[in-house]
Amino acid sequence: LAKTTQPISMDSYEGQEVNITCSHNNIATNDYITWYQQFPSQGPRFIIQGYKTKVTNEVASLFIPADRKSSTLSLPRVSLSDTAVYYCLVGSGNTPLVFGKGTRLSVIA
Amino acid sequence: DADVTQTPRNRITKTGKRIMLECSQTKGHDRMYWYRQDPGLGLQLIYYSFDVKDINKGEISDGYSVSRQAQAKFSLSLESAIPNQTALYFCATSDSGQREVETQYFGPGTRLLVL
Repeated sequence: LAKTTQPISMDSYEGQEVNITCSHNNIATNDYITWYQQFPSQGPRFIIQGYKTKVTNEVASLFIPADRKSSTLSLPRVSLSDTAVYYCLVGSGNTPLVFGKGTRLSVIA
Repeated sequence: DADVTQTPRNRITKTGKRIMLECSQTKGHDRMYWYRQDPGLGLQLIYYSFDVKDINKGEISDGYSVSRQAQAKFSLSLESAIPNQTALYFCATSDSGQREVETQYFGPGTRLLVL
């Protein structure tokens, strides 16, 4: 399973754009990159998934360079309600995804 | 996600007791998972099942067992609970029929305290 590395924590002010970068140097050809969000005492929730280049949905954007050894989750204009832990996962459909410790994002008013 | 339910939501038990945590889903998914989460840490996979006849150990299966009674039900048992099994337990489901890597849907969690 491809291992991921992401910052343990980040702080941001409300209204700013937040970028969380994840490293996955040994990503396999069939692997996709998936990000989840977890609020305290709740289960993680799917945010976005991509294979290469850029993916955007109503919640976030995901940027993946050509070598796919890293990815960046971008949250536009964060609010206090975006305070959560964000997990970067890499894998294919053949094996279960592995959740690391994630990045704890704190949004400050 | 209301389609994935866990019972009980909270449980206090004593060391040595046997307890069962139950998970049910109405999403029609074939894959189900059990995770535990300790305070301030990420999720660790205990067991997973890709269909009714398939059971696989995860990262931390020691001290746990599971039963996949039906496609919609996946139970986690602690045969003899110990205090370091105090944690938040999550059940999750996914659909192998999705075109890309499947999305996991999590239940609300069961908070377990072993005294």
